[in-house]
Order: sequence, then C-alpha cells, then structure tokens
Amino acid sequence: GDSVTQTEGLVTLTKGLPVMLNCTYQTTYSPFLFWYVQHLNEAPKLLLKSSTDNKRTEHQGFYATLHKSSSSFHLQKSSVQLSDSALYFCALSDPYYGNEKITFGAGTKLTIKP
Amino acid sequence: DAGVTQTPRHEVAEKGQTIILKCEPVSGHNDLFWYRQTKIQGLELLSYFRSKSLMEDGGAFKDRFKAEMLNSSFSTLKIQPTEPKDSAVYLCASSGTGGLTGQLYFGEGSKLTVL
Repeated sequence: GDSVTQTEGLVTLTKGLPVMLNCTYQTTYSPFLFWYVQHLNEAPKLLLKSSTDNKRTEHQGFYATLHKSSSSFHLQKSSVQLSDSALYFCALSDPYYGNEKITFGAGTKLTIKP
Repeated sequence: DAGVTQTPRHEVAEKGQTIILKCEPVSGHNDLFWYRQTKIQGLELLSYFRSKSLMEDGGAFKDRFKAEMLNSSFSTLKIQPTEPKDSAVYLCASSGTGGLTGQLYFGEGSKLTVL
C-alpha cells in the first residue's frame, strides 16, 4: 500500500534560520503530494500541493519540489519566523483512487525560538 | 464562505457513555471525512463519504464508531460506548472535487476526553 514517511518528529530552530522538513513516499501510481500546516488549536490548512515532477511550488514563503525519481517532496523555507511554529503534515493521494485513498505522514512539529 | 464547522469543540465523557460529534461541511462539498488525531498515531481515517454514500468505514474503528451523513450538509460521528483510549481530537474535513484528488478543508476539531 501507499505510505508517507516524515523522518523528523520534532524540529526546533532559531528564528531566521532555514528549514527543510523531509517527506518521502511510496506508491504505485503517479501521485499528488500535499503539505498541510496546523497551528495550535486550529484546523489543518493546505500549504502546498503538486503533481508535476521537478517543478517547484511556493506559498507563503514555503516551497517544495516533487522529485519522482527519489519519491520526495521536502518542505523548505529560507528564513523561519516565530509564526511558523506548527505541526506540518505531508500527504499523498493516488489519482486512481482520488479522495478515497489519502495517506498522511505522522507529522513534524516545528518550534521556532526567538 | 463558511468553512467546516464542528461541534462541540470540547467534550468530556465518562467511560461507557455515548457521545455524538457533529460536522457541517463546506457548502457544496460532496466528500466528507472523519479523522482521529493523536500525538502517537497522527491522523487516522475513520470514515469517508462521497455524495452521502459511505465509501470507507475505517476498518479497525467499526465496532464502536459510527459515522452517518443524513444530508449533504450535516454529518455525525457516534462513539458508543466510549473508552479512555478514545481520548483524541476528532477532525472533520470536506472536499468539493467529487471524489477526485483535491484539497481537504478541515474543521477545528472536537477534543474528546474520556475519563
């Protein structure tokens, strides 16, 4: 079956530093990949999505590139802010199954210190 | 536009009680999901409805968990009887892509504590 792996459970950084949150996946099909962000006591919200190989997608200062050759969709930001402290989920969807089969990673909790 | 609305936001139950959580999806969305969120297990799918039809009932959650979608704008999740291990945040999400891959819109969740 499909799987999504986020290797870091907790990441703590100082404000202004760059960050990369890892996301790798396994699937039979050519997938859609998503990053969702959940701030404390709030609803998860879509941050980024992509299905195009080797194309960088950006939103709110975050960016990610889907690399099908390495089955990766790492989330990056060049300079983190205090407001970036949140839980980040990587998710995969097979277009064959659509919304019937969405797989989430375990999540990475990002904490930014002053 | 109104987002996904979940009630109650917080629920405290005694072991063995029946609780019902409610969800109103984004207007016009025809896909609805119930997830359980815990720190250990992350997001676990409980149920998935497409156009009010149950497409996925979450396997391991069948026994005491029952989700229903009485109409296109309202869903409930019943847990009966509750156990302390059910303590978690229950998230409802909807999508407007008719089953095709699309963005999920989540509610803020219902935090359940079972004593």
